[in-house]
Amino acid sequence: DIQMTQSPSSLSASVGDRVTISCRASQSIYNYLNWYQQKPGKAPKFLIYVASTLQSEVPSRFSGSGSGTDFTLTISSLQPDDFATYYCQQSYSTPPTFGQGTKVEIK
Amino acid sequence: EVQLVESGGGLVQPGGSLRLSCAASGFTFTTYWMSWVRQSPGKGLEWVANIKEDGSEKYYVDSVKGRFTISRDNAKNSLFLQMNSLRAEDTAVYYCARDKFGYRGALGYWGQGTLVTVSS
Repeated sequence: DIQMTQSPSSLSASVGDRVTISCRASQSIYNYLNWYQQKPGKAPKFLIYVASTLQSEVPSRFSGSGSGTDFTLTISSLQPDDFATYYCQQSYSTPPTFGQGTKVEIK
Repeated sequence: EVQLVESGGGLVQPGGSLRLSCAASGFTFTTYWMSWVRQSPGKGLEWVANIKEDGSEKYYVDSVKGRFTISRDNAKNSLFLQMNSLRAEDTAVYYCARDKFGYRGALGYWGQGTLVTVSS
């Protein structure tokens, strides 16, 4: 199985900050990388697919980049609604696997 | 509007069985792979199983192989997860999820989840 490792596991940031979350795959997954946002008690929300394509209605302050084994989710200017846990997930091979999550908290 | 509504969760003893259902609406069910994903309390997301549009292919995470069975009824726009020989470590919120069209494995829509608790 492909292992997905996110860093950091958590971070504290202020509204307006630029936030970057990293995700590394244990082998090349080309660009088969997806990002999700989850708030407490809620289902995950689909943000980005094939590494850099925003799902419809996702704000443009979110962006994704990377290919192969190293990927990044960037929030250009953190908003109050963005405090949540973010997960990366590879869909290159079965089983699809998730990173352990990155919790973005208010500083 | 895409809707996925899970049901069937509850408290079950170790070794017991439970059948989860997911009612789908707002899209053409027969044209999408469907998945179950679970999340143990306070933990991350774990993909459990998925099934092809016509039910001809099914895949499982190793930890549930031989115990869980995914199925679908395309006439009723429904997805199921039969869970047998349940263990304490199967305790989780179980989500039904639909692929984004054309991007297998990219989980574009999720239900609200149903809680399964395995405990004596």
